[in-house]
Amino acid sequence: TQLLEQSPQFLSIQEGENLTVYCNSSSVFSSLQWYRQEPGEGPVLLVTVVTGGEVKKLKRLTFQFGDARKDSSLHITAAQPGDTGLYLCAGASGGSYIPTFGRGTSLIVHP
Amino acid sequence: DTAVSQTPKYLVTQMGNDKSIKCEQNLGHDTMYWYKQDSKKFLKIMFSYNNKELIINETVPNRFSPKSPDKAHLNLHINSLELGDSAVYFCASSLPSGSTGNTIYFGEGSWLTVV
Repeated sequence: TQLLEQSPQFLSIQEGENLTVYCNSSSVFSSLQWYRQEPGEGPVLLVTVVTGGEVKKLKRLTFQFGDARKDSSLHITAAQPGDTGLYLCAGASGGSYIPTFGRGTSLIVHP
Repeated sequence: DTAVSQTPKYLVTQMGNDKSIKCEQNLGHDTMYWYKQDSKKFLKIMFSYNNKELIINETVPNRFSPKSPDKAHLNLHINSLELGDSAVYFCASSLPSGSTGNTIYFGEGSWLTVV
């Protein structure tokens, strides 16, 4: 089973600040996904990256897949209270396309 | 329309009881899952079914028994509940597991508390 390490585990910031969340592993992934989970809800997919070095943008969110496909980062510009939630990375590799989840980064953005 | 729906959302029960959580998806997906999220928010896969057949059974006590009457339903039955079973259980579905970068669609979760 691949191990995905996410950092930081917790993040509490003020509205307007920038932040970066990291997802690292010693395994190579065929694809890596980022999900956001709001309190009382299930995780919802934000993005899927499949190519080493790939960068995807979703409004104020920028996702990057490492060149070696072992790590990824999520950068949020000018965070808003609506960004509050648990951010989970999930990677799939080998013969299984069912992703393994990291332990998540819990983000709180204060107004 | 809710894509993946599970019931009940909240369940409080005593140790030793048997309980079931039901799940239905209307996305036409062939693959369904059960995940367990513990108090530290770690989301771990328990089971995966593809077109009613079990394809993944992680290290889960055999007190947990999934049942898939058809590909749109995957229910979870738990026997002899223990305190450590308290968690949030998520049902999910996706396209067949042979697709790269599958989107997994989660239900809203079932909060199980064993007292």
